[in-house]
Amino acid sequence: NAGVTQTPKFQVLKTGQSMTLQCAQDMNHNSMYWYRQDPGMGLRLIYYSASEGTTDKGEVPNGYNVSRLNKREFSLRLESAAPSQTSVYFCASSDSPGARNEQFFGPGTRLTVL
Amino acid sequence: QQPVQSPQAVILREGEDAVINCSSSKALYSVHWYRQKHGEAPVFLMILLKGGEQKGHEKISASFNEKKQQSSLYLTASQLSYSGTYFCGTAMEYGNKLVFGAGTILRVKS
Repeated sequence: NAGVTQTPKFQVLKTGQSMTLQCAQDMNHNSMYWYRQDPGMGLRLIYYSASEGTTDKGEVPNGYNVSRLNKREFSLRLESAAPSQTSVYFCASSDSPGARNEQFFGPGTRLTVL
Repeated sequence: QQPVQSPQAVILREGEDAVINCSSSKALYSVHWYRQKHGEAPVFLMILLKGGEQKGHEKISASFNEKKQQSSLYLTASQLSYSGTYFCGTAMEYGNKLVFGAGTILRVKS
């Protein structure tokens, strides 16, 4: 039982490059989330998916796209990376609804955009 | 509508107590508490729901004042392992979105 896994753990991009962050969970959760964490700002929700086939914007969706590939997997794509997207990205999952249930976080991806 | 946490940081000696507060300007459905150690993922501590229901670890104590939209996390007889950053996350409705506060850094010294 691995919980929530994320790949890659670290990534360095140049401005304008694209990449996809992968996330998978093995807890049969309906809800999945992508957060970014910047120093002094806590966790900010980028996108979330309440169930397979649905996605919704969070607080800071600009510059990102997501895909809920199936119940297990939820990916985050940066089409044209910018230095402002340098951050630590966490994926999380929970039973639905998230407001009533514990979120389980993955280990994070540390992204640097030069 | 990011919740406001206080204090921003606190330093304790082992065995001392601490209270971390989380307040919102909007009516809340639930308040979540997480702890994050440096370089690691946040870990769940507790959920407090409108109406009085609580879910979480037995050793963690917290309160939720629905009228004031405030929650407090009580850390008693602190141990070195309590060190980390504590985040509250708030939900205004029955749904999936949480908004997290900026965090409270707790350091416990021996």
